[in-house]
Amino acid sequence: TQLLEQSPQFLSIQEGENLTVYCNSSSVFSSLQWYRQEPGEGPVLLVTVVTGGEVKKLKRLTFQFGDARKDSSLHITAAQPGDTGLYLCAGPPSGGSNYKLTFGKGTLLTVNP
Amino acid sequence: GAGVSQSPSNKVTEKGKDVELRCDPISGHTALYWYRQSLGQGLEFLIYFQGNSAPDKSGLPSDRFSAERTGGSVSTLTIQRTQQEDSAVYLCASSALTGSAVGYTFGSGTRLTVV
Repeated sequence: TQLLEQSPQFLSIQEGENLTVYCNSSSVFSSLQWYRQEPGEGPVLLVTVVTGGEVKKLKRLTFQFGDARKDSSLHITAAQPGDTGLYLCAGPPSGGSNYKLTFGKGTLLTVNP
Repeated sequence: GAGVSQSPSNKVTEKGKDVELRCDPISGHTALYWYRQSLGQGLEFLIYFQGNSAPDKSGLPSDRFSAERTGGSVSTLTIQRTQQEDSAVYLCASSALTGSAVGYTFGSGTRLTVV
């Protein structure tokens, strides 16, 4: 059983469209992080959300942490080809070791020009 | 250096051989982590170093896997008697601090293929 479930698994859209990807769990997390990974590279940290209900914006990307700290979403406005990549959510389960991240399997996003 | 450096970037080895994977973290980062990324599996935790000590080795899959860190800097992950199921991308990450909200900086990984 995957502790962090990400959906959709694959998403292919046209440039300019909006999209939302989801990260869900039945467990509470101390915080959640979002990473983007491009082929042949390691994941790159986009944001960390810590407080239940928190919303963070990074240019065209909006991240939300659920009130109960069990889920998160990433919304991209007016997607661009440069947004293409594997989006991973990760976090330390509440009560677990705070250095050990559990990762979802990711959403593979393709933005077509 | 400016980022986390891993070498080699690709390694093809024959089943049964030993391999060493190297990680050079960001200078001054005391925490270092190894993860494994397999097709369809996501990233799996292998081991955590704080300085030269490894307080958590719980993710190492078998006793064929070992890791060390010297001088609070470079780390080496060694896999003995490699098996085909060891084929994966091995990712190293470092952070200046540890804590639930501390993000990692990852290297580009070593893609290991066991044939």
